Amino acid sequence: ETGVTQTPRHLVMGMTNKKSLKCEQHLGHNAMYWYKQSAKKPLELMFVYSLEERVENNSVPSRFSPECPNSSHLFLHLHTLQPEDSALYLCASSLRSGTGANEQFFGPGTRLTVL
Amino acid sequence: GQNIDQPTEMTATEGAIVQINCTYQTSGFNGLFWYQQHAGEAPTFLSYNVLDGLEEKGRFSSFLSRSKGYSYLLLKELQMKDSASYLCAAMDSNYQLIWGAGTKLIIKP
Repeated sequence: ETGVTQTPRHLVMGMTNKKSLKCEQHLGHNAMYWYKQSAKKPLELMFVYSLEERVENNSVPSRFSPECPNSSHLFLHLHTLQPEDSALYLCASSLRSGTGANEQFFGPGTRLTVL
Repeated sequence: GQNIDQPTEMTATEGAIVQINCTYQTSGFNGLFWYQQHAGEAPTFLSYNVLDGLEEKGRFSSFLSRSKGYSYLLLKELQMKDSASYLCAAMDSNYQLIWGAGTKLIIKP
């Protein structure tokens, strides 16, 4: 148990649906991250939040919209997705961002399939 | 551009030793991480190196050469449970992790 939980674990949605992914960390960390993991590809950093403020947005399409209401919770709102968005979406947290030796703790991920 | 290279797949025998290599090119450097990811599970932290040399942690060791842009993860006394993907990630000058695609390690009895 890593202290980072994600729901749902699996999600199938159509291209016109709206859904949200939820992440919660119980570690008292101040930084949270969304990653996309596609088969045989490197992890792609999508968003970084530090103390509830977005500090990184790596040219992610606007159909992905993050929300961080407090330091323990992170959401990823999805709308009008494309089939190529099908992937494993991983949430991670760390004590802080912007420093070295900054171990990230990952959740189990949400396996998203867009039909 | 920034890039991490590591082998796609390796096979080793239970009880043996295996070395997984990683080369990196980043804008600045603030350390090198290794993570383990079992199929269908979350990546978990294994090691962090920022200075040259070898860091040993039980059966696992990690080495870094900053001048060569090179690291390796050494796994000794391999066990079946070590079958997993091993992810190499370098931290750049902005403290962002640049990830490799992972090395799938298959352990055979």
